[in-house]
Amino acid sequence: ETGVTQTPRHLVMGMTNKKSLKCEQHLGHNAMYWYKQSAKKPLELMFVYSLEERVENNSVPSRFSPECPNSSHLFLHLHTLQPEDSALYLCASSQDVSGGLGYTFGSGTRLTVV
Amino acid sequence: GDSVTQMEGPVTLSEEAFLTINCTYTATGYPSLFWYVQYPGEGLQLLLKATKADDKGSNKGFEATYRKETTSFHLEKGSVQVSDSAVYFCALSITNTGNQFYFGTGTSLTVIP
Repeated sequence: ETGVTQTPRHLVMGMTNKKSLKCEQHLGHNAMYWYKQSAKKPLELMFVYSLEERVENNSVPSRFSPECPNSSHLFLHLHTLQPEDSALYLCASSQDVSGGLGYTFGSGTRLTVV
Repeated sequence: GDSVTQMEGPVTLSEEAFLTINCTYTATGYPSLFWYVQYPGEGLQLLLKATKADDKGSNKGFEATYRKETTSFHLEKGSVQVSDSAVYFCALSITNTGNQFYFGTGTSLTVIP
């Protein structure tokens, strides 16, 4: 399997639930990213990992907790979310953290918080 | 600071019309430039890229030329199809340490038969 794979594609969760989003890449890339895409808003960079080390955290609320156990996998753990957290969550990877060769994106997880 | 500005949408065109989506950038270093496309319900896909001045990126009938003198990377297609309906994002990457990748706000294109 090639490219960036995200699971699940769709997720509906209550505000008291705990769930996790998974991202996997088989491209040999060293950098991975989480983005949030909300309707009528620009893409929001949430987290950046380079060689499994978090290098950027853009003031994201603590109810979002990333985990990068190895260079091929990235998780986003969710707990006590709010309805305004409903969005498309996109994972991406790149050869290195400069992104000079471009990013490869997954298809996203459509999250709905009820 | 470094940034990308692209034309606001939405853009609606008839099939076979000519498409231009404007993109200009501000960069302190020597950026690589990209166009991404997002079809409904999908993630972003790399459409084309250019890594230095005067380079032309092309793919699927789309073209964009890296113009350093006007700091622009406008996306063009001579004859659009209904299947080109999507959101298009301009982006730049600064070759430097750290995460230096910037996306525009996206331009929605709808092509009607």
